[in-house]
Amino acid sequence: DSGVTQTPKHLITATGQRVTLRCSPRSGDLSVYWYQQSLDQGLQFLIQYYNGEERAKGNILERFSAQQFPDLHSELNLSSLELGDSALYFCASSSGAGEGYTFGSGTRLTVV
Amino acid sequence: GEDVEQSLFLSVREGDSSVINCTYTDSSSTYLYWYKQEPGAGLQLLTYIFSNMDMKQDQRLTVLLNKKDKHLSLRIADTQTGDSAIYFCAEFYTGRRALTFGSGTRLQVQP
Repeated sequence: DSGVTQTPKHLITATGQRVTLRCSPRSGDLSVYWYQQSLDQGLQFLIQYYNGEERAKGNILERFSAQQFPDLHSELNLSSLELGDSALYFCASSSGAGEGYTFGSGTRLTVV
Repeated sequence: GEDVEQSLFLSVREGDSSVINCTYTDSSSTYLYWYKQEPGAGLQLLTYIFSNMDMKQDQRLTVLLNKKDKHLSLRIADTQTGDSAIYFCAEFYTGRRALTFGSGTRLQVQP
């Protein structure tokens, strides 16, 4: 157990739908990062939050949004889902860059 | 990871050494990392090296950094079947604020 908790582990939904992925960071970590892992794109950075505020944006689509709550858990919202959004979505947390990120076990999203 | 490149596949025999290579393009990288991903699991941090270091050893793992060539390698001594996984290198520099990952190298260990 890495200390980063992601729910749900698996999600199957239809095109056009909206889903919410949840992440609880490791205790004491203020930063949360979201990554998408797909076979053709590898690991793509989506967005970072630090202590409730958005810090950095990567290749995140406008249909996707995220937030970090006062208790530091984070949610990634994916809307108007397309088949191409099927992927593994990872959350990671860190307390500082030098220590690297601690990853959760991911949410596997399948859009049918 | 367009800025970080790795070969896709490496096959070794159990007991041999494995060397996984990575090249990166950003000379401002401050930290470089190696992660391991087993099937169905998240990424596990194996080790990292600060950009002012040339080498770091941690039990069976040795990381070599050649800043001039922007080349990073991970050597696994006495490779075991449990080392079979995908290995990712990643770079960090403060200008980007997030780790950039390579595409991963699948290591297959033959018994």
